[in-house]
Amino acid sequence: GAVVSQHPSWVICKSGTSVKIECRSLDFQATTMFWYRQFPKQSLMLMATSNEGSKATYEQGVEKDKFLINHASLTLSTLTVTSAHPEDSSFYICSARDLRNSYTEAFFGQGTRLTVV
Amino acid sequence: DAKTTQPTSMDCAEGRAANLPCNHSTISGNEYVYWYRQIHSQGPQYIIHGLKNNETNEMASLIITEDRKSSTLILPHATLRDTAVYYCIVRVAERNQGGKLIFGQGTELSVKP
Repeated sequence: GAVVSQHPSWVICKSGTSVKIECRSLDFQATTMFWYRQFPKQSLMLMATSNEGSKATYEQGVEKDKFLINHASLTLSTLTVTSAHPEDSSFYICSARDLRNSYTEAFFGQGTRLTVV
Repeated sequence: DAKTTQPTSMDCAEGRAANLPCNHSTISGNEYVYWYRQIHSQGPQYIIHGLKNNETNEMASLIITEDRKSSTLILPHATLRDTAVYYCIVRVAERNQGGKLIFGQGTELSVKP
């Protein structure tokens, strides 16, 4: 299957600082990328959907000013957690699809484990 | 998108077939059934998807009932590496529907030696 790469795999940051997570589609063009968050022992929760060149659409309850999403090219989307706090510690996962083809599946990155201390 | 119901957990002996059920009684005619799995601390991995016909690939088989209200994912010869959480998701496939996947709680499959 297609490859989606996230960087970094894990990050520890101090409370109050911002952290940027990158999501790249390595061998296909991703018209749409999705960002998920997963707490321990829980399922994936969709945070937002981003289309290349457009503003992201956030799910209900997700603060758009805290979780900044940029999707400037067909191969790169970034999620910035601003003014991170310990409760933002979680496993963040991106997913990418090429929606020009309806029947392609979504491919996922390996995830980024964020720990805010 | 239609909701799905899966057992919370299942065990399977190594080398035997693992049959994972999923109920999706409110599925619409234009919704596909997708299966993904997530091995601990990794991103989900696509397994298979189908609309109404049974499907098979190198990883698994997908059996969808004639009324499409339920399906079964079959791993023909489970190995220890198949231990993971398996998610059954139903959603429309048309590109103007956004394409997002909404995950339920999934089934935690434990393959035992």
